[in-house]
Amino acid sequence: GQNIDQPTEMTATEGAIVQINCTYQTSGFNGLFWYQQHAGEAPTFLSYNVLDGLEEKGRFSSFLSRSKGYSYLLLKELQMKDSASYLCAVLDSNYQLIWGAGTKLIIKP
Amino acid sequence: GAVVSQHPSRVICKSGTSVKIECRSLDFQATTMFWYRQFPKQSLMLMATSNEGSKATYEQGVEKDKFLINHASLTLSTLTVTSAHPEDSSFYICSAEGQGAINEQFFGPGTRLTVL
Repeated sequence: GQNIDQPTEMTATEGAIVQINCTYQTSGFNGLFWYQQHAGEAPTFLSYNVLDGLEEKGRFSSFLSRSKGYSYLLLKELQMKDSASYLCAVLDSNYQLIWGAGTKLIIKP
Repeated sequence: GAVVSQHPSRVICKSGTSVKIECRSLDFQATTMFWYRQFPKQSLMLMATSNEGSKATYEQGVEKDKFLINHASLTLSTLTVTSAHPEDSSFYICSAEGQGAINEQFFGPGTRLTVL
């Protein structure tokens, strides 16, 4: 079966750095997405990785290792507005998006 | 670019009534749209994939006669919840697949359905 694992909840301090991990087992791989979802709102796109390595975009970076079935989202200089759920999703061989359950990130002052 | 709208944003209805939710891609054409349902503190659950001009593909466990999907044009898909019951109360979100190389999905703002 297809499976995506990410921690249910994480807590971090304002101004700090946090890394949210995602491991996946899917039938094929055509890319991995990270989305941010604030409570009561729809998800918004953060990043896309299809090749191994680190993609940096401002305070957010995303890393992928296809051989390990592993990705992480790195958030630097945390701000209170970063409190949200972070969803990892993998595009499988049928180009169907398989969603993780999301990681709720709580930022404390 | 790549804006998806959804209407209504909130709806409250009585049990047994039908509710229609519209999803529009405002500045691009979307051959494929997706309908999701999300219960509180849970992740997105794909209900169906909607392709313009053809029947929707429903996920296992989703009743196609209860959740009617119509994708009549490249910019509009509708989801009708027929004979709604309190257990259908949820956050319904649509997304449209972009035309770029990475199959990114652009999400609408969601519709909060409450069935009394």
